[in-house]
Amino acid sequence: DVKVTQSSRYLVKRTGEKVFLECVQDMDHENMFWYRQDPGLGLRLIYFSYDVKMKEKGDIPEGYSVSREKKERFSLILESASTNQTSMYLCASSLSGDEAFFGQGTRLTVV
Amino acid sequence: AQTVTQSQPEMSVQEAETVTLSCTYDTSENNYYLFWYKQPPSRQMILVIRQEAYKQQNATENRFSVNFQKAAKSFSLKISDSQLGDTAMYFCAFRGYGQNFVFGPGTRLSVLP
Repeated sequence: DVKVTQSSRYLVKRTGEKVFLECVQDMDHENMFWYRQDPGLGLRLIYFSYDVKMKEKGDIPEGYSVSREKKERFSLILESASTNQTSMYLCASSLSGDEAFFGQGTRLTVV
Repeated sequence: AQTVTQSQPEMSVQEAETVTLSCTYDTSENNYYLFWYKQPPSRQMILVIRQEAYKQQNATENRFSVNFQKAAKSFSLKISDSQLGDTAMYFCAFRGYGQNFVFGPGTRLSVLP
């Protein structure tokens, strides 16, 4: 069965902390994505990666960075968490031209 | 840049009835994919149905079907015989040559007993 796993379901962090969100997929997909989901705005792309060590900025990359050292793992990093980064974060993976498979989401609260 | 619009923020339907969710998109590409995803309260995004733009025939999956109008750039989802388990957020998504997925803002569907 296809699986995308995010490391945490709920996370509470303090302003200014460095935050790591981890995502692992077991489907050998080349494409991986990080989205942010906010009410009324749908899913907005933060970063995506189409291969190991390759990354491209999405629509809202400011304040975020990513790392993809291995094909199965795609990490989202909040360099210095701020309250406006409180949100739901969704990781996804896919093959080219195919559907996206999603993790269960991480609800991050920055206080 | 592609955009996806869902004009109905919220909808409700009686159990066993039929409901149609609207989606329009804007693109200059000719080959692309369209998807409907469901997100129930558990938050897990689940693929409902997909459509390849080069296929004229509308996709169907059991109680779910689409009305794909390429010229009008419209991609609506019809749910027949609605069930309580269909209560969820529904997102329309576009995937073009650029490999990114572009999502609409979502429609919250409530199925009423």
